[in-house]
Amino acid sequence: DAKTTQPTSMDCAEGRAANLPCNHSTISGNEYVYWYRQIHSQGPQYIIHGLKNNETNEMASLIITEDRKSSTLILPHATLRDTAVYYCIVRVGGSNYKLTFGKGTLLTVNP
Amino acid sequence: DTAVSQTPKYLVTQMGNDKSIKCEQNLGHDTMYWYKQDSKKFLKIMFSYNNKELIINETVPNRFSPKSPDKAHLNLHINSLELGDSAVYFCASSSGPYEAFFGQGTRLTVV
Repeated sequence: DAKTTQPTSMDCAEGRAANLPCNHSTISGNEYVYWYRQIHSQGPQYIIHGLKNNETNEMASLIITEDRKSSTLILPHATLRDTAVYYCIVRVGGSNYKLTFGKGTLLTVNP
Repeated sequence: DTAVSQTPKYLVTQMGNDKSIKCEQNLGHDTMYWYKQDSKKFLKIMFSYNNKELIINETVPNRFSPKSPDKAHLNLHINSLELGDSAVYFCASSSGPYEAFFGQGTRLTVV
C-alpha cells in the first residue's frame, strides 16, 4: 500500500471549515484513499473514501487531485467534537482488507 | 445497540499471566480484525479473519492467539504476558474491503 504524508497538527476555529491535506504521491491506479479519525480514547471511526472522483457524505467531503497524488478532507463546519487525530490511508480496494495507519494529523478545533 | 463490543474495557494483570479479550459484532460482517495501539499511539494490525479463516497474521509473537468461533466473534488470547504487551487493543469488523467499524478498545496494563 502507498505511503501517505500528513501534517502533524492543525488548528481550526469552531464553525469554520477544516481542510486536512494528505500527500500520496506514490499511489497506484487501483488504490483508494480512506479517511478515519480517532477521538481521544475511542476506537477509530470511518469518515469517507474515494478512488478518483470527489466524494461527499454527511460527515465530510473528500477532494482528490486529478493526478491522484494528493487529497484534502474537508469538514465544512468544524465543531469542538471534531477534535481528533485524522488518518489518511491508501489501500488497494480488493486486497486483504488491512488498514495501515500512519501518524495522522491532530486537528484541534478551538472555540 | 453497540456494533462492535469488546470485553473487558480495562484489564490489569501481572507478568506471566494468561488473559483473553473478547469481541463481538452484530453488523453481519464477514471480516474481523485485531489492532494494537501502543504507548506512542501507533495503530498496527495484528490479525484478520474472514469467515472464520485467518487471512492476516502480521509479525506477532506466537503468545498471541486469535480464535474465531463464528463470524460474529473474534477473541484474542495472550499467554505469558509481558510488560511490552501493555497497549490498547482494538477489535474491528468490515464487510469485505469496505469501511471498518472499531470497538472502543481494551486497555491492557501488565504490571
